[in-house]
Amino acid sequence: DGGITQSPKYLFRKEGQNVTLSCEQNLNHDAMYWYRQDPGQGLRLIYYSHIVNDFQKGDIAEGYSVSREKKESFPLTVTSAQKNPTAFYLCASSIRGLVSNPSQPQHFGDGTRLSIL
Amino acid sequence: QKEVEQDPGPLSVPEGAIVSLNCTYSNSAFQYFMWYRQYSRKGPELLMYTYSSGNKEDGRFTAQVDKSSKYISLFIRDSQPSDSATYLCAMNERDDKIIFGKGTRLHILP
Repeated sequence: DGGITQSPKYLFRKEGQNVTLSCEQNLNHDAMYWYRQDPGQGLRLIYYSHIVNDFQKGDIAEGYSVSREKKESFPLTVTSAQKNPTAFYLCASSIRGLVSNPSQPQHFGDGTRLSIL
Repeated sequence: QKEVEQDPGPLSVPEGAIVSLNCTYSNSAFQYFMWYRQYSRKGPELLMYTYSSGNKEDGRFTAQVDKSSKYISLFIRDSQPSDSATYLCAMNERDDKIIFGKGTRLHILP
């Protein structure tokens, strides 16, 4: 079955610690995205990548880092610089829209819930 | 004015009723419109995807876009308890980032 796998489902971070959230997709999608979801705030874009070895900051990139070394993988690191990391983190992917094709919707994984110890 | 406005609810309706969920938006350049369903502790699941104005039907779900009024709707016919979830509208220009509404919580009462 094709899909997006996020792990772990739950994660706890200690003060001063960096943690990495995994996102893997086997949909052969070019583009991948990380969002943060807080109660009452909707989804906010952290980082996105349209192609391997390239990524761009979203609206709330401070305190986060990403890499895109493989098409199917887009891990997110929550660094100690992120002072309020408690949230539900969602990874998404999509076929990259081409000039001749319409924009394509994003498909989501089932999220990682990060909490501070 | 926020780009996308969506009533957070909760919206409670009896089983079997027709549900109407709505979003308004301010950016007239939006062309692609989506509705996602999100169950508790799960990721959003794409329900409907439409381009420009008009209606699109898929089973019990109908998505409606009125670009002149900057207003989109999702109708659910013969609502079931399993439809209880948070519904997110989303939209974007071509290849631009997607803007999400904050979601409407829906409760279908058996």
